[in-house]
Amino acid sequence: DTGVSQNPRHKITKRGQNVTFRCDPISEHNRLYWYRQTLGQGPEFLTYFQNEAQLEKSRLLSDRFSAERPKGSFSTLEIQRTEQGDSAMYLCASSLDSPGNTIYFGEGSWLTVV
Amino acid sequence: AQSVTQLGSHVSVSEGALVLLRCNYSSSVPPYLFWYVQYPNQGLQLLLKYTSAATLVKGINGFEAEFKKSETSFHLTKPSAHMSDAAEYFCAVSDQSGGYNKLIFGAGTRLAVHP
Repeated sequence: DTGVSQNPRHKITKRGQNVTFRCDPISEHNRLYWYRQTLGQGPEFLTYFQNEAQLEKSRLLSDRFSAERPKGSFSTLEIQRTEQGDSAMYLCASSLDSPGNTIYFGEGSWLTVV
Repeated sequence: AQSVTQLGSHVSVSEGALVLLRCNYSSSVPPYLFWYVQYPNQGLQLLLKYTSAATLVKGINGFEAEFKKSETSFHLTKPSAHMSDAAEYFCAVSDQSGGYNKLIFGAGTRLAVHP
Protein backbone atom coordinates (compact mmCIF):
# COMPACT_ATOMS: atom_id res chain seq x y z
CA ASP A 1 0.00 0.00 0.00
CA THR A 2 1.82 3.06 -1.25
CA GLY A 3 -0.99 5.49 -0.52
CA VAL A 4 -2.72 7.98 -2.79
CA SER A 5 -0.24 9.81 -4.98
CA GLN A 6 -0.81 13.21 -6.57
CA ASN A 7 1.25 15.26 -8.93
CA PRO A 8 2.35 17.86 -9.41
CA ARG A 9 2.37 18.92 -5.78
CA HIS A 10 2.57 22.58 -6.72
CA LYS A 11 1.59 24.42 -9.87
CA ILE A 12 1.78 28.12 -10.61
CA THR A 13 0.03 29.17 -13.78
CA LYS A 14 -1.05 32.33 -15.49
CA ARG A 15 -4.72 33.20 -15.69
CA GLY A 16 -6.27 31.72 -18.78
CA GLN A 17 -3.92 28.76 -19.04
CA ASN A 18 -5.01 25.13 -18.72
CA VAL A 19 -3.70 22.86 -15.96
CA THR A 20 -3.98 19.14 -15.34
CA PHE A 21 -3.52 17.22 -12.12
CA ARG A 22 -3.01 13.50 -11.85
CA CYS A 23 -4.05 11.14 -9.07
CA ASP A 24 -2.98 7.54 -8.56
CA PRO A 25 -5.26 5.89 -6.00
CA ILE A 26 -4.48 2.95 -3.75
CA SER A 27 -4.35 0.06 -6.18
CA GLU A 28 -7.34 -2.02 -5.03
CA HIS A 29 -9.65 0.95 -4.45
CA ASN A 30 -12.46 1.27 -6.95
CA ARG A 31 -13.72 4.65 -5.70
CA LEU A 32 -11.85 7.85 -6.41
CA TYR A 33 -12.80 11.33 -5.22
CA TRP A 34 -11.71 14.87 -5.96
CA TYR A 35 -12.05 17.65 -3.39
CA ARG A 36 -11.04 21.29 -3.38
CA GLN A 37 -9.75 23.09 -0.30
CA THR A 38 -9.17 26.81 0.05
CA LEU A 39 -7.27 28.45 2.89
CA GLY A 40 -9.11 28.29 6.17
CA GLN A 41 -11.86 26.04 4.85
CA GLY A 42 -12.68 22.38 4.92
CA PRO A 43 -12.44 20.27 1.79
CA GLU A 44 -15.37 20.62 -0.61
CA PHE A 45 -16.56 17.67 -2.66
CA LEU A 46 -16.13 18.03 -6.42
CA THR A 47 -16.75 14.63 -7.96
CA TYR A 48 -16.30 10.90 -7.55
CA PHE A 49 -15.78 7.82 -9.71
CA GLN A 50 -16.80 4.23 -9.23
CA ASN A 51 -14.23 2.43 -11.37
CA GLU A 52 -14.23 4.39 -14.65
CA ALA A 53 -17.74 5.82 -14.25
CA GLN A 54 -18.12 9.38 -12.98
CA LEU A 55 -21.21 9.04 -10.78
CA GLU A 56 -21.62 12.43 -9.18
CA LYS A 57 -20.49 15.98 -9.84
CA SER A 58 -20.87 18.93 -7.51
CA ARG A 59 -22.27 22.24 -8.70
CA LEU A 60 -18.80 23.57 -7.84
CA LEU A 61 -17.49 21.72 -10.87
CA SER A 62 -18.04 24.30 -13.58
CA ASP A 63 -17.82 23.60 -17.29
CA ARG A 64 -14.15 24.57 -17.18
CA PHE A 65 -13.42 21.55 -15.02
CA SER A 66 -13.26 18.02 -16.33
CA ALA A 67 -12.26 14.84 -14.59
CA GLU A 68 -11.57 11.48 -16.11
CA ARG A 69 -10.61 8.05 -14.90
CA PRO A 70 -9.81 5.93 -17.93
CA LYS A 71 -9.70 2.21 -17.25
CA GLY A 72 -10.65 2.80 -13.65
CA SER A 73 -7.11 3.37 -12.50
CA PHE A 74 -5.51 6.80 -12.30
CA SER A 75 -7.54 9.97 -12.67
CA THR A 76 -6.90 13.42 -14.11
CA LEU A 77 -8.52 16.72 -13.22
CA GLU A 78 -8.18 19.39 -15.86
CA ILE A 79 -9.02 23.04 -15.39
CA GLN A 80 -9.37 25.06 -18.56
CA ARG A 81 -8.98 28.84 -18.80
CA THR A 82 -7.91 29.13 -15.18
CA GLU A 83 -9.15 32.01 -13.07
CA GLN A 84 -7.69 33.44 -9.87
CA GLY A 85 -10.61 31.96 -7.97
CA ASP A 86 -9.39 28.50 -8.93
CA SER A 87 -6.38 28.93 -6.63
CA ALA A 88 -6.74 26.17 -4.05
CA MET A 89 -5.46 22.78 -3.04
CA TYR A 90 -6.98 19.93 -5.02
CA LEU A 91 -7.20 16.76 -3.00
CA CYS A 92 -7.64 13.29 -4.40
CA ALA A 93 -8.87 10.41 -2.28
CA SER A 94 -9.75 6.77 -2.76
CA SER A 95 -11.64 4.01 -0.99
CA LEU A 96 -13.35 0.70 -1.38
CA ASP A 97 -17.02 1.02 -2.23
CA SER A 98 -18.64 -0.19 1.00
CA PRO A 99 -20.38 2.42 3.19
CA GLY A 100 -18.22 3.56 6.06
CA ASN A 101 -14.99 2.44 4.48
CA THR A 102 -12.10 4.74 5.21
CA ILE A 103 -11.44 7.34 2.54
CA TYR A 104 -7.69 7.84 2.13
CA PHE A 105 -6.41 11.22 0.97
CA GLY A 106 -3.37 12.17 -1.01
CA GLU A 107 -1.16 15.08 -0.06
CA GLY A 108 -2.88 17.40 -2.50
CA SER A 109 -1.90 19.54 -5.44
CA TRP A 110 -1.58 23.26 -4.78
CA LEU A 111 -2.68 25.52 -7.60
CA THR A 112 -1.80 29.20 -7.70
CA VAL A 113 -3.24 31.25 -10.54
CA VAL A 114 -1.45 34.56 -11.09
CA ALA B 1 -29.14 17.69 3.70
CA GLN B 2 -25.98 16.76 5.45
CA SER B 3 -23.92 19.41 7.18
CA VAL B 4 -21.30 19.74 9.88
CA THR B 5 -20.65 22.60 12.26
CA GLN B 6 -17.38 22.83 14.13
CA LEU B 7 -17.61 25.25 17.02
CA GLY B 8 -14.45 27.30 17.37
CA SER B 9 -12.17 27.84 14.43
CA HIS B 10 -9.19 28.11 16.78
CA VAL B 11 -8.56 26.27 20.04
CA SER B 12 -5.49 26.80 22.19
CA VAL B 13 -4.43 24.51 25.04
CA SER B 14 -1.38 23.99 27.20
CA GLU B 15 0.72 20.88 26.82
CA GLY B 16 -0.76 18.21 29.08
CA ALA B 17 -4.22 19.79 29.16
CA LEU B 18 -7.45 18.25 27.93
CA VAL B 19 -8.24 18.71 24.26
CA LEU B 20 -11.91 19.14 23.32
CA LEU B 21 -12.90 19.90 19.74
CA ARG B 22 -16.61 20.25 19.08
CA CYS B 23 -18.58 18.91 16.16
CA ASN B 24 -22.32 18.95 15.55
CA TYR B 25 -23.90 17.38 12.53
CA SER B 26 -27.16 17.60 10.66
CA SER B 27 -28.44 14.48 8.99
CA SER B 28 -31.91 13.17 8.29
CA VAL B 29 -30.80 9.56 8.63
CA PRO B 30 -28.26 7.81 10.86
CA PRO B 31 -24.90 9.13 9.80
CA TYR B 32 -21.38 7.90 9.63
CA LEU B 33 -19.02 10.40 11.28
CA PHE B 34 -15.31 10.96 10.90
CA TRP B 35 -12.50 13.03 12.32
CA TYR B 36 -9.50 13.81 10.13
CA VAL B 37 -6.29 15.67 11.00
CA GLN B 38 -4.29 17.81 8.58
CA TYR B 39 -0.72 18.94 9.18
CA PRO B 40 0.63 21.94 7.24
CA ASN B 41 0.91 21.38 3.51
CA GLN B 42 -0.26 17.80 3.81
CA GLY B 43 -3.37 15.81 3.02
CA LEU B 44 -5.86 14.50 5.54
CA GLN B 45 -5.28 11.56 7.83
CA LEU B 46 -8.12 9.65 9.47
CA LEU B 47 -8.12 9.85 13.27
CA LEU B 48 -11.27 7.83 13.92
CA LYS B 49 -14.72 7.03 12.59
CA TYR B 50 -18.19 6.11 13.83
CA THR B 51 -20.14 3.69 11.66
CA SER B 52 -23.04 2.66 13.92
CA ALA B 53 -21.16 0.30 16.21
CA ALA B 54 -19.97 1.43 19.64
CA THR B 55 -20.82 5.08 20.35
CA LEU B 56 -17.44 5.71 21.98
CA VAL B 57 -14.81 5.46 19.32
CA LYS B 58 -11.09 5.30 19.97
CA GLY B 59 -8.66 6.47 17.35
CA ILE B 60 -4.99 6.99 16.76
CA ASN B 61 -2.66 9.16 18.84
CA GLY B 62 -4.83 8.86 21.96
CA PHE B 63 -7.89 10.61 20.52
CA GLU B 64 -11.44 9.46 21.06
CA ALA B 65 -14.92 10.70 20.21
CA GLU B 66 -18.41 9.93 21.40
CA PHE B 67 -21.47 9.82 19.17
CA LYS B 68 -24.46 11.38 20.94
CA LYS B 69 -27.58 11.10 18.83
CA SER B 70 -29.73 13.17 21.20
CA GLU B 71 -27.27 16.06 20.93
CA THR B 72 -26.34 15.42 17.27
CA SER B 73 -22.74 15.71 18.38
CA PHE B 74 -19.46 13.92 17.79
CA HIS B 75 -16.90 15.81 19.88
CA LEU B 76 -13.23 14.86 19.75
CA THR B 77 -11.22 14.59 22.96
CA LYS B 78 -7.74 13.74 24.15
CA PRO B 79 -6.88 13.65 27.86
CA SER B 80 -3.42 15.19 27.56
CA ALA B 81 -2.25 17.36 24.69
CA HIS B 82 1.19 16.98 23.12
CA MET B 83 3.04 19.59 21.12
CA SER B 84 2.79 17.25 18.12
CA ASP B 85 -1.04 17.51 18.22
CA ALA B 86 -0.89 21.04 16.81
CA ALA B 87 -2.70 20.78 13.49
CA GLU B 88 -6.06 21.39 11.82
CA TYR B 89 -8.87 19.00 12.63
CA PHE B 90 -11.88 18.34 10.44
CA CYS B 91 -15.13 16.64 11.31
CA ALA B 92 -17.03 15.02 8.44
CA VAL B 93 -20.37 13.30 7.87
CA SER B 94 -21.59 10.79 5.36
CA ASP B 95 -25.08 9.39 5.19
CA GLN B 96 -27.55 7.43 3.13
CA SER B 97 -29.12 10.53 1.59
CA GLY B 98 -25.84 10.96 -0.21
CA GLY B 99 -25.57 7.23 -0.77
CA TYR B 100 -22.65 7.20 1.64
CA ASN B 101 -20.77 8.28 -1.43
CA LYS B 102 -18.97 11.30 -0.14
CA LEU B 103 -17.84 13.12 2.96
CA ILE B 104 -19.17 16.54 3.88
CA PHE B 105 -16.62 18.42 5.95
CA GLY B 106 -16.85 21.12 8.56
CA ALA B 107 -14.74 24.27 8.28
CA GLY B 108 -12.11 22.89 10.60
CA THR B 109 -10.61 23.75 13.98
CA ARG B 110 -6.98 24.77 14.28
CA LEU B 111 -5.46 23.41 17.48
CA ALA B 112 -2.50 25.21 19.02
CA VAL B 113 -0.57 23.59 21.87
CA HIS B 114 1.56 25.79 24.11
CA PRO B 115 4.44 24.63 26.32
